Amino acid sequence: GIQVEQSPPDLILQEGANSTLRCNFSDSVNNLQWFHQNPWGQLINLFYIPSGTKQNGRLSATTVATERYSLLYISSSQTTDSGVYFCAVTQGGSEKLVFGKGTKLTVNP
Amino acid sequence: GAGVSQTPSNKVTEKGKYVELRCDPISGHTALYWYRQSLGQGPEFLIYFQGTGAADDSGLPNDRFFAVRPEGSVSTLKIQRTERGDSAVYLCASSLSSWAAEAFFGQGTRLTVV
Repeated sequence: GIQVEQSPPDLILQEGANSTLRCNFSDSVNNLQWFHQNPWGQLINLFYIPSGTKQNGRLSATTVATERYSLLYISSSQTTDSGVYFCAVTQGGSEKLVFGKGTKLTVNP
Repeated sequence: GAGVSQTPSNKVTEKGKYVELRCDPISGHTALYWYRQSLGQGPEFLIYFQGTGAADDSGLPNDRFFAVRPEGSVSTLKIQRTERGDSAVYLCASSLSSWAAEAFFGQGTRLTVV
């Protein structure tokens, strides 16, 4: 099956810093989503982005499907951005999302 | 409802007991998914429903796990003869259709088998 690799596994920032999270996938995909899992375990939808670029406030994402990667940009980070960021994809005729192992982000005040 | 709702939020059960976990999807969403998340890992797929039928149950780990969605809305994940290794957070998601649609997750049920 498809492999999803996220980097870095851990990231520690000072408030106000910018960061880039990366998601590589091993095959073509139909769907790609970025999620933020908050400290209470809730998976919050950030972007539905199988291709192209989207922006939502301080966050933006780009997926280059032909090169099999996606990037999540966080600008002017805040302590509330802390948590685990997951990339998840579907491929072919399968409906199941395959998740990466996540990037754990800690933003210190 | 406004979002995917899962009950209970937490469940502690003794080894060998039977448990049921409930998921209420977003109104109008025809596709429903169950995932399981162990500590420090990403969610792993268990089963997918399109309407009332289980379209893909390839992620169910063994025959102690079963799920139903009799009226195409609420779903119940059932675990028989629970084992300590079943301890995890069980997540439910729904989407408006199936193919490549955006999925929305509930807050999960944390199951602890003692």
